[in-house]
Amino acid sequence: DAGVIQSPRHEVTEMGQEVTLRCKPISGHDYLFWYRQTMMRGLELLIYFNNNVPIDDSGMPEDRFSAKMPNASFSTLKIQPSEPRDSAVYFCASTTSGYNEQFFGPGTRLTVL
Amino acid sequence: GQQVMQIPQYQHVQEGEDFTTYCNSSTTLSNIQWYKQRPGGHPVFLIQLVKSGEVKKQKRLTFQFGEAKKNSSLHITATQTTDVGTYFCAGPWGNKLVFGAGTILRVKS
Repeated sequence: DAGVIQSPRHEVTEMGQEVTLRCKPISGHDYLFWYRQTMMRGLELLIYFNNNVPIDDSGMPEDRFSAKMPNASFSTLKIQPSEPRDSAVYFCASTTSGYNEQFFGPGTRLTVL
Repeated sequence: GQQVMQIPQYQHVQEGEDFTTYCNSSTTLSNIQWYKQRPGGHPVFLIQLVKSGEVKKQKRLTFQFGEAKKNSSLHITATQTTDVGTYFCAGPWGNKLVFGAGTILRVKS
């Protein structure tokens, strides 16, 4: 198995631009999580899906952030418009249940200038 | 909500010295998980502890789960440069994991 796949690996954009991050979970995993990691705030859960349905989006910082999971093999996290404070590493993780180990993707390093 | 606290935040050791990181939860946990993140990498699952008082070993790493299932520790014997990274504990809360802030380990050779 290729593991969790994320793209792009690096993204540099200017303030105000739209950013779309993509994730392909491990096949057969029913849960998908989006995290954001910064030095100041550590690893934060933004949103998670179960069977493609958003379950808890309480960690989404603002309306500028949105996430979708149109099918079991694909999810997107969109930031529109982006701001410099959105600069961080965004991880996607998947698992078979909330109690089991999570498998993280390599992350997308986002820099907003 | 549930909180998971880790100490220390940072530790710098000489190669060959031992290292321990501690994790405390505000609530009783059904299990505790440990992850390692290498610099520039992503968190990678190390182990899950489920039973009260459980102790598990992986080579030089020893993991313990407290009797009350509210605390845990990770001990590394004779650290090596390959041990550098951030070690996170995490406890389930509903269908999600609550991660500690992590302990950054640096090893001087």
